[in-house]
Amino acid sequence: KTQVEQSPQSLVVRQGENCVLQCNYSVTPDNHLRWFKQDTGKGLVSLTVLVDQKDKTSNGRYSATLDKDAKHSTLHITATLLDDTATYICVVGAPQGGRALIFGTGTTVSVSP
Amino acid sequence: EAGVTQSPRYAVLQEGQAVSFWCDPISGHDTLYWYQQPRDQGPQLLVYFRDEAVIDNSQLPSDRFSAVRPKGTNSTLKIQSAKQGDTATYLCASSLGLSQNTLYFGAGTRLSVL
Repeated sequence: KTQVEQSPQSLVVRQGENCVLQCNYSVTPDNHLRWFKQDTGKGLVSLTVLVDQKDKTSNGRYSATLDKDAKHSTLHITATLLDDTATYICVVGAPQGGRALIFGTGTTVSVSP
Repeated sequence: EAGVTQSPRYAVLQEGQAVSFWCDPISGHDTLYWYQQPRDQGPQLLVYFRDEAVIDNSQLPSDRFSAVRPKGTNSTLKIQSAKQGDTATYLCASSLGLSQNTLYFGAGTRLSVL
């Protein structure tokens, strides 16, 4: 079973609109959660990391929440730009162990003019 | 500050050929990861090192894949006899310990096995 599930799998938004991405996970222990942006054919760029039991972060037009009790995170993109077109990957990290990071399969966001 | 550098950026092989990927982590980062990311999937950890020591290579296909980090800095991932199923992007990442605030990824090497 997939340990980190993201939804929707893909979405299309018009430039200037807001969008929300969801991440549900079953990883234990869940030391932290990170959201990455991956442009097509490129590496992963970290957007934010959430650590606390109930956490909120903000990085420009990106904001995120984490609820460890619910094992749920959201990523909000405000006033989308064409450059926001990418795949957004949710990653859950354990404090120790061989598999240090558990990756979701991503949400592909397409921003149209 | 230089990021994680990987080379080559692209590789195209016939089945049975060998290929090596090279990674130069951020200076001072003791932990280095290799991930395999098939198209339209999330990255899957292959192996990771703390300094020159392999910490976990349980997901590395040991019959054809090998990874080394002899001096605890640069690392090489090698596929001895490539298969079509190896087609993927190979990502290298580094961090200071398991500190996620210092985790950075390279741009990856995109491998196509024909």
